[in-house]
Amino acid sequence: RKEVEQDPGPFNVPEGATVAFNCTYSNSASQSFFWYRQDCRKEPKLLMSVYSSGNEDGRFTAQLNRASQYISLLIRDSKLSDSATYLCVVNSPGGGADGLTFGKGTHLIIQP
Amino acid sequence: NAGVTQTPKFQVLKTGQSMTLQCAQDMNHNSMYWYRQDPGMGLRLIYYSASEGTTDKGEVPNGYNVSRLNKREFSLRLESAAPSQTSVYFCASSEVSLNLSGELFFGEGSRLTVL
Repeated sequence: RKEVEQDPGPFNVPEGATVAFNCTYSNSASQSFFWYRQDCRKEPKLLMSVYSSGNEDGRFTAQLNRASQYISLLIRDSKLSDSATYLCVVNSPGGGADGLTFGKGTHLIIQP
Repeated sequence: NAGVTQTPKFQVLKTGQSMTLQCAQDMNHNSMYWYRQDPGMGLRLIYYSASEGTTDKGEVPNGYNVSRLNKREFSLRLESAAPSQTSVYFCASSEVSLNLSGELFFGEGSRLTVL
């Protein structure tokens, strides 16, 4: 069974702080990984892909740990505008649309 | 920049009524999808269309039908709505097969309530 697990939060973090959250996946053969961002009552949007070597995009860093089967997202110098729900997405063997599993999301609240 | 457009944005139905959710994308994408999102659940795939002329069931297809009318349009039909179909429905599209890229472009969502 495909499973992607996330801590639902909410994570309450003061502005300017660093916050990190993880996502675990159950299928060891999963092939590709992504973080999406979803604002309240809006549609999800791709934030970043997660590469095996880890990758950074400005204040955001994503990492993959295949041995422990989790991916992480780290946000540095957090801004009020970072408040959102962050969805972990995993693409498993067979690929295609039915291989893409969304986590339930982690709710992040940046406080002034 | 329209992207993916869904209609209607809000709808209230009575049990047993039928309706069609419309979706159109202007990005010339090959693949289109319908998801539903419920509180406490992740996005779940209802149906998808990898290319014009093809449709396939996703994780939760029961109670739904789809039509890929052309490359741009992908509709979702509820033949006899049930309260369990109360949800937010998202249409999405992607340029390439999802085993190459996880980038989906979503519409703004359609909030459906079935009484």
